[in-house]
Amino acid sequence: DVKVTQSSRYLVKRTGEKVFLECVQDMDHENMFWYRQDPGLGLRLIYFSYDVKMKEKGDIPEGYSVSREKKERFSLILESASTNQTSMYLCASRPRKGVLNTEAFFGQGTRLTVV
Amino acid sequence: AQSVAQPEDQVNVAEGNPLTVKCTYSVSGNPYLFWYVQYPNRGLQFLLKYITGDNLVKGSYGFEAEFNKSQTSFHLKKPSALVSDSALYFCAVRDEVTGGGNKLTFGTGTQLKVEL
Repeated sequence: DVKVTQSSRYLVKRTGEKVFLECVQDMDHENMFWYRQDPGLGLRLIYFSYDVKMKEKGDIPEGYSVSREKKERFSLILESASTNQTSMYLCASRPRKGVLNTEAFFGQGTRLTVV
Repeated sequence: AQSVAQPEDQVNVAEGNPLTVKCTYSVSGNPYLFWYVQYPNRGLQFLLKYITGDNLVKGSYGFEAEFNKSQTSFHLKKPSALVSDSALYFCAVRDEVTGGGNKLTFGTGTQLKVEL
């Protein structure tokens, strides 16, 4: 089975802190994604990466950055956390760069609270 | 641009009755359509997808979905609902043509509640 693992299930951070959310997948997928999930808004794409050291902005990249130094790991960074970044964060991966019809596999989510 | 609409925030159904969760989409080219389910405090689990071929797609846990190109819809269905089906359901689309590259666009989700 494909496994996508997010390092934390729950996090509480203070305003202004630098926050790292880590995601690891074990199936050699090229594509990895970070979404945030908010009630009534569904899932919104923050950033995605289609290869090591490659990244592209999603729909809501402001206030976030990412890092992909190894194929299996994709990190989401909140440079200076703010209360409006309190949310559920979901990591996903998908195989085969350039193939559009494969489904994505999701991690269990990290619920981040910024106080 | 690709988009998905789930017109119902919540659907209530009695156990044993058929259920339908609605989804409509908008794309430039041919759509790739997906349904995911999310249980409380968990990530999303893949249920089924439509790529091409038969308009009726069968997936996990007895769910199926019907692709209707003329109505640009991809409604999720199950003939007999279970209490354990209660969860949040997301429809998603990827455009074959523009695709947004690798982008998968999600709807806002529909909460399904199955009661005894």
